[in-house]
Amino acid sequence: KAGVTQTPRYLIKTRGQQVTLSCSPISGHRSVSWYQQTPGQGLQFLFEYFSETQRNKGNFPGRFSGRQFSNSRSEMNVSTLELGDSALYLCASSFQQGSAEAFFGQGTRLTVV
Amino acid sequence: GENVEQHPSTLSVQEGDSAVIKCTYSDSASNYFPWYKQELGKRPQLIIDIRSNVGEKKDQRIAVTLNKTAKHFSLHITETQPEDSAVYFCAASGGGATNKLIFGTGTLLAVQP
Repeated sequence: KAGVTQTPRYLIKTRGQQVTLSCSPISGHRSVSWYQQTPGQGLQFLFEYFSETQRNKGNFPGRFSGRQFSNSRSEMNVSTLELGDSALYLCASSFQQGSAEAFFGQGTRLTVV
Repeated sequence: GENVEQHPSTLSVQEGDSAVIKCTYSDSASNYFPWYKQELGKRPQLIIDIRSNVGEKKDQRIAVTLNKTAKHFSLHITETQPEDSAVYFCAASGGGATNKLIFGTGTLLAVQP
């Protein structure tokens, strides 16, 4: 069974641009969560999707948004990029909703210059 | 708010020794406590987890204990090997219909041959 797939693996963007990251969960998994990982702040929850609905949102500005499609694939978008958005963005896949095991993708390394 | 404290931030042990990492959570509704291992440049990998209705769980050289009253949980690694060297993260799930995880700040474990 294929694992969680995130694309692209690496991105370099300029301040002010926007970016879209993609996550394909493990086959059969319907829940996708997104996390931002930085050396200073560690792993921070961004948002969580289940059955195409956002179920929970972390403490991030409105520039961060996401969505989930009917095939459970998810995308997150960051608009008006800032230098501080440089981070590893990780997607986690879970079979069900509610304290379920979460399996991470390899992440997208975003660098904002 | 929700918070998970993790100690120590770095831990150096000799091969064959035991390692213990401790976490404390703040949200009494938390009911799921996973541990992740992240090697340099790789994804966080789920290594063991425990739910609030269990006090201890073992998987070969790894064990996790949970004290709900004190809101403490710990990871124990016995007979450490150089390949155990990585950053270890504890996390707590908020309970209810969410997979949101609050992560500790990580412990860099170095196993000296």
